[in-house]
Amino acid sequence: DTAVSQTPKYLVTQMGNDKSIKCEQNLGHDTMYWYKQDSKKFLKIMFSYNNKELIINETVPNRFSPKSPDKAHLNLHINSLELGDSAVYFCASSGRGDGQETQYFGPGTRLLVL
Amino acid sequence: SQQGEEDPQALSIQEGENATMNCSYKTSINNLQWYRQNSGRGLVHLILIRSNEREKHSGRLRVTLDTSKKSSSLLITASRAADTASYFCATDTGGYNKLIFGAGTRLAVHP
Repeated sequence: DTAVSQTPKYLVTQMGNDKSIKCEQNLGHDTMYWYKQDSKKFLKIMFSYNNKELIINETVPNRFSPKSPDKAHLNLHINSLELGDSAVYFCASSGRGDGQETQYFGPGTRLLVL
Repeated sequence: SQQGEEDPQALSIQEGENATMNCSYKTSINNLQWYRQNSGRGLVHLILIRSNEREKHSGRLRVTLDTSKKSSSLLITASRAADTASYFCATDTGGYNKLIFGAGTRLAVHP
């Protein structure tokens, strides 16, 4: 009964490969997010979807492409992985009404590009 | 761009002591939130304070907001070893619930 889940938890891959990270939330939320946390623990928003519509698209290389098949899922596909993509990627979600500003985070996907 | 900056970067205290962390930001905000991150885990929401509020309490947590100084503080009273974590402030400047996070304060509470 995990609220926000991500798969895989760990991902080790070679430079140049293409990989995907999946996120699912069972909170009934309308909005989902992808964040990147670097080695210095700095957390930065990458994308956000509301009801399958892209609403936040920060300055991220176009090798990163989010996809939201439905409002409970938000996946992140990364093409041509680079060393600098190594980080922890967090998915989060938020709802509507009271408490809508609160974001619920998944456990993170630790990506290491060799 | 980084909005919030936490101070100190790291804090080490004994159990039972109070811990105070500060956050400064640059632009006007709708609200400011504090999150906790235990090692190797995701972030957990602690408390939210709106721009028209000056102080808020939740259990052992006390948050203040000074919009004239663009700063906030998080006080954890009677700290416990289980409070050991990184604490992040995040500002919502309006529009799509976009949060800008600071670099965090690493708190270590020693038994």
